[in-house]
Amino acid sequence: EAQVTQNPRYLITVTGKKLTVTCSQNMNHEYMSWYRQDPGLGLRQIYYSMNVEVTDKGDVPEGYKVSRKEKRNFPLILESPSPNQTSLYFCASSLFGGGANSPLHFGNGTRLTVT
Amino acid sequence: DAKTTQPPSMDCAEGRAANLPCNHSTISGNEYVYWYRQIHSQGPQYIIHGLKNNETNEMASLIITEDRKSSTLILPHATLRDTAVYYCIVRKPFMEYGNKLVFGAGTILRVKS
Repeated sequence: EAQVTQNPRYLITVTGKKLTVTCSQNMNHEYMSWYRQDPGLGLRQIYYSMNVEVTDKGDVPEGYKVSRKEKRNFPLILESPSPNQTSLYFCASSLFGGGANSPLHFGNGTRLTVT
Repeated sequence: DAKTTQPPSMDCAEGRAANLPCNHSTISGNEYVYWYRQIHSQGPQYIIHGLKNNETNEMASLIITEDRKSSTLILPHATLRDTAVYYCIVRKPFMEYGNKLVFGAGTILRVKS
């Protein structure tokens, strides 16, 4: 089944403890992206990647890192998590990143709580 | 991206067609109309998209007016599982600002038995 898979689904951690949220897609998509969703603020893009080894900042990149060493994987790294990063995170992918005729497909989300 | 306007909420009887409207009066000629839905904190689910012509897939139909200033998403036989927030999004045809999707407030569709 074609899908975007995120792990873990739920994560509770403490301030400053490095963590990684994994994202993998099995559709051979070139483009991948991370969003966070917060009440009243909607979905906001954190980082995106047009292809392997090509990443760039979205609207809210502070406090996050990403890497794209393989086409299928796009992990989100929080080097020193803080409580304001408590949020619902979504990974997404599409076949191409350069055109609007390529639907974005989302994973099921990771709910992160930082205490 | 062009601004979209959707009603905040709608009700629909189970088994009936759900017609969700969206206004996008400032849409440009090369911008696409996309529809997504989100069921209770799950990932947004892609439904359908179109440029000028009406589109149909296994989930829904998309009707775009001739002047492209509005569109309607039609769920032909709504079920309780279609209860969700539905987002109408206008998307540019080229890579801009990370090719992101800009989600508005959407329409809460409640399907009732």
